[in-house]
Amino acid sequence: GQNIDQPTEMTATEGAIVQINCTYQTSGFNGLFWYQQHAGEAPTFLSYNVLDGLEEKGRFSSFLSRSKGYSYLLLKELQMKDSASYLCAVRPITGGGNKLTFGTGTQLKVEL
Amino acid sequence: DTAVSQTPKYLVTQMGNDKSIKCEQNLGHDTMYWYKQDSKKFLKIMFSYNNKELIINETVPNRFSPKSPDKAHLNLHINSLELGDSAVYFCASSQDAGPSYNEQFFGPGTRLTVL
Repeated sequence: GQNIDQPTEMTATEGAIVQINCTYQTSGFNGLFWYQQHAGEAPTFLSYNVLDGLEEKGRFSSFLSRSKGYSYLLLKELQMKDSASYLCAVRPITGGGNKLTFGTGTQLKVEL
Repeated sequence: DTAVSQTPKYLVTQMGNDKSIKCEQNLGHDTMYWYKQDSKKFLKIMFSYNNKELIINETVPNRFSPKSPDKAHLNLHINSLELGDSAVYFCASSQDAGPSYNEQFFGPGTRLTVL
């Protein structure tokens, strides 16, 4: 089966840096995705990791360690608009299929 | 220039009714999905179609029946609605179902409330 864990809630200050962790246990691994979801809206893609290491994209970076079943999303220079839910999703199937198994999401609140 | 669209956006209905949700994508993608997001915001895949062929069918009651008339459309019909079906249903699409990097684009969601 699949098990994906993320903290339920986090609070951070505008301008600061926050790290949202995700641990997973899946049968097979073929990539990890991070999505952002604002309240009442659709999830939108942030990042993708399939090899170990850090992927940087502007203010957002995502790290993966496959041996540890661990990823984190790093948000720098936080802005109020970054208040949202951040969803970690693992693609457990190799050789075909694009099924994503999502964690329960981390609700990030950015305060002044 | 909407990428993935769903109708209706809101759906309120009585228990026992039958309802449909429609989804269309204009991205030229080969694969489409239905997800259910419950009140705790847990997003879970229900079905996936690749070129009109069912490729993912999670443990979903057979009251839920997806239909894909062409690769740009994936509709969801729900029979005999139950209180527990109340959720937000998201449609999504991606370029293909292969193993390479292919992000899924989500529609705006349909909030279904069963009374």
